[in-house]
Amino acid sequence: EAQVTQNPRYLITVTGKKLTVTCSQNMNHEYMSWYRQDPGLGLRQIYYSMNVEVTDKGDVPEGYKVSRKEKRNFPLILESPSPNQTSLYFCASSWDRTNTGELFFGEGSRLTVL
Amino acid sequence: KQEVTQIPAALSVPEGENLVLNCSFTDSAIYNLQWFRQDPGKGLTSLLLIQSSQREQTSGRLNASLDKSSGRSTLYIAASQPGDSATYLCAVNSGNTPLVFGKGTRLSVIA
Repeated sequence: EAQVTQNPRYLITVTGKKLTVTCSQNMNHEYMSWYRQDPGLGLRQIYYSMNVEVTDKGDVPEGYKVSRKEKRNFPLILESPSPNQTSLYFCASSWDRTNTGELFFGEGSRLTVL
Repeated sequence: KQEVTQIPAALSVPEGENLVLNCSFTDSAIYNLQWFRQDPGKGLTSLLLIQSSQREQTSGRLNASLDKSSGRSTLYIAASQPGDSATYLCAVNSGNTPLVFGKGTRLSVIA
């Protein structure tokens, strides 16, 4: 089954404790992206990747890091989480290099930073 | 900068009604527009993708139209059912820039 898988789905952590949210897709997509969704603000892009070893900032990259060492994986790293990073996070992927194809989303990871 | 607006923010209709959700965008230079459905606490499911050269796309009871020159798209849902209750989002793709999402329309279909 074609899917985008995120882990963990739910996480409660404390300020400053590094964490990684993993994202994996099994569709051989070139394009992958991370979003956060907050009430009243909608979905905002954090980082995206056009291909292996190619990443770029989205609208709200501060406080986040990403890497794309393999085509299928695109982990989101919070080096020193803060309460304002409490949010619902989504990973998404698309087959098309220029992102003109259909975008597929993971189920989401709900992060709470105390 | 591209801005996407969805009206209404919330909508409640009785089962069986046909309904229209609206999405407007400020910059008509787009590659495509995509409609998504999001159930509470869940991810986004793609419903329809309209390329800039297309006028509409259909899938079952759903029909999405695109008028690029006026910066508008509509999602038409025929014979609504309680299972259609969800938040519907549109997203505009202007090329090598982040997708811009509307804030969604929360739909409730009452049995």
